[in-house]
Amino acid sequence: AQTVTQSQPEMSVQEAETVTLSCTYDTSENNYYLFWYKQPPSRQMILVIRQEAYKQQNATENRFSVNFQKAAKSFSLKISDSQLGDTAMYFCAFLFKGTYKYIFGTGTRLKVLA
Amino acid sequence: DTGVSQNPRHKITKRGQNVTFRCDPISEHNRLYWYRQTLGQGPEFLTYFQNEAQLEKSRLLSDRFSAERPKGSFSTLEIQRTEQGDSAMYLCASSSPAGTENTEAFFGQGTRLTVV
Repeated sequence: AQTVTQSQPEMSVQEAETVTLSCTYDTSENNYYLFWYKQPPSRQMILVIRQEAYKQQNATENRFSVNFQKAAKSFSLKISDSQLGDTAMYFCAFLFKGTYKYIFGTGTRLKVLA
Repeated sequence: DTGVSQNPRHKITKRGQNVTFRCDPISEHNRLYWYRQTLGQGPEFLTYFQNEAQLEKSRLLSDRFSAERPKGSFSTLEIQRTEQGDSAMYLCASSSPAGTENTEAFFGQGTRLTVV
């Protein structure tokens, strides 16, 4: 069974600074995807960034980038130039292409301080 | 089409009553998911559909829970004889337009259930 672990329940960062959220996962599969989703307070979850396991190049989306270490089963999210609107819960998620079932971690609550 | 829609947004019910939630996915999406989220936790998988077929159901889901997706469009999640432990946010998501392998899941705003 696949599992996703986020070991940082809460983090804070000063506006304009950089922060890294950690995620590790466990799987014996090779064909999978990894995601970071953002859930702002009282709002719906939205996709931040996605990584396909077979791609060695780390995904980037504007201020968001990942450090994907397949052998170590690690998938961290770096947020550069943090903005107040980045305050949210962040969930790491795993999708095995055979089942198409998303498995989520327990989340990291990020607070960006003015 | 403005996204995944869930109704009602909030539901308060007495223990022992039955409740039903509805999810309208993005129209061209063929996969539909139900998750449960409690405070401070990540979403827990409950079940998912590809078109009208229910492909997997979590062992967390007791016999009191049932989900349907008639005609592969909207879905309903029913909880019979509710218990206080059923209090949670119930999230619906849809993904994968038919004919593509797009893996992004789009979530609704959820239905918050409180069992008193």
